[in-house]
Amino acid sequence: DAGVIQSPRHEVTEMGQEVTLRCKPISGHNSLFWYRQTMMRGLELLIYFNNNVPIDDSGMPEDRFSAKMPNASFSTLKIQPSEPRDSAVYFCASSLTPGQLTYEQYFGPGTRLTVT
Amino acid sequence: LAKTTQPISMDSYEGQEVNITCSHNNIATNDYITWYQQFPSQGPRFIIQGYKTKVTNEVASLFIPADRKSSTLSLPRVSLSDTAVYYCLVARSSNTGKLIFGQGTTLQVKP
Repeated sequence: DAGVIQSPRHEVTEMGQEVTLRCKPISGHNSLFWYRQTMMRGLELLIYFNNNVPIDDSGMPEDRFSAKMPNASFSTLKIQPSEPRDSAVYFCASSLTPGQLTYEQYFGPGTRLTVT
Repeated sequence: LAKTTQPISMDSYEGQEVNITCSHNNIATNDYITWYQQFPSQGPRFIIQGYKTKVTNEVASLFIPADRKSSTLSLPRVSLSDTAVYYCLVARSSNTGKLIFGQGTTLQVKP
């Protein structure tokens, strides 16, 4: 399996522009998570989906952030408009719902976002 | 979810056994303890999870005392490639796999 795939790997954009990050989870996984990592705040959970339905978006910083999961094999995280403080590494992770009581999430390589 | 506390950093030398202890005083009955490892410029990677007593896999061992208020991740004979950040997390079975990452322990292995 190719693992979790994220694109782009690096994104540099100017303040005010729209940014769209993409994620393809591991086939067969039914939970998908979006995280953001910065030196100051560490690794933060932004939102997660179960069976394509958003379950908890309490970590989404503000209305400028939105996430969708139109089907089991694709998710997007959109920032509009972007601001310099959004600069971070954004990770996508997927897992099987812990019906078998395992908390193993598989993380993608991340997207390094720089907003100037 | 129970808050976890672990040392911010640790140093070790190649070939030594490393033990990282995490406290989770408010752990609930249906909570599991799980550990992740993160190398620079990579996403975190699952290492091990447990509920009580001892769990061992090819990478590490996890020791959990009877009261479950703490846990210890044991890495046998570390090498330079074990230099990473190690996260202790408490996961609740009712939370559809949601994990909350704390600050982690930065382990530096020296030659």
